[in-house]
Amino acid sequence: EADIYQTPRYLVIGTGKKITLECSQTMGHDKMYWYQQDPGMELHLIHYSYGVNSTEKGDLSSESTVSRIRTEHFPLTLESARPSHTSQYLCASSGDRGSYEQYFGPGTRLTVT
Amino acid sequence: AQTVTQSQPEMSVQEAETVTLSCTYDTSESDYYLFWYKQPPSRQMILVIRQEAYKQQNATENRFSVNFQKAAKSFSLKISDSQLGDAAMYFCASTTPTSGYALNFGKGTSLLVTP
Repeated sequence: EADIYQTPRYLVIGTGKKITLECSQTMGHDKMYWYQQDPGMELHLIHYSYGVNSTEKGDLSSESTVSRIRTEHFPLTLESARPSHTSQYLCASSGDRGSYEQYFGPGTRLTVT
Repeated sequence: AQTVTQSQPEMSVQEAETVTLSCTYDTSESDYYLFWYKQPPSRQMILVIRQEAYKQQNATENRFSVNFQKAAKSFSLKISDSQLGDAAMYFCASTTPTSGYALNFGKGTSLLVTP
């Protein structure tokens, strides 16, 4: 199994709360990604990073922010959670070996009430 | 822009039989990569197989193989000798250098394996 970790695995919070979803990898990968998986199982890119101090927005505007201060750490923050943010959030990373395959974490299942 | 289309929301196969999952894609770029990922219920997404667009030979990984038809922009997955553990959601995905190598996923095909 790939060495990529996400915490918490499950989270139920109320509307308006600020939350941070953690993602860490021990593979030394430069590229990291956040995907949102909606209840219908569709996956959408929300943020990605090429390396330290690099962040880019994806296709889906999720009203979240990310930071990449260390290579291994790529946290996702929701400043004010809403019920529409209820989803599974998947973190992934990839290296530069030429295959560009991504390794995924176990996901955080978020419910906003 | 890239698009990936999986036209089969659900498929069913009997144990030990063969099943093919369909995927078509569209991209204007010449440099791209294609993947099939598997997501078992409540478990981690894992890579099943990958195909580089510049390679003509179809990729194979044990019981999994692809039929890559570049001109038709088709990338189907064949699972031979299906096992109960193959039951999962299967996602077809593409990536390109200009997208930061982010994955663009299809909507997925839910595969049921019956004894």
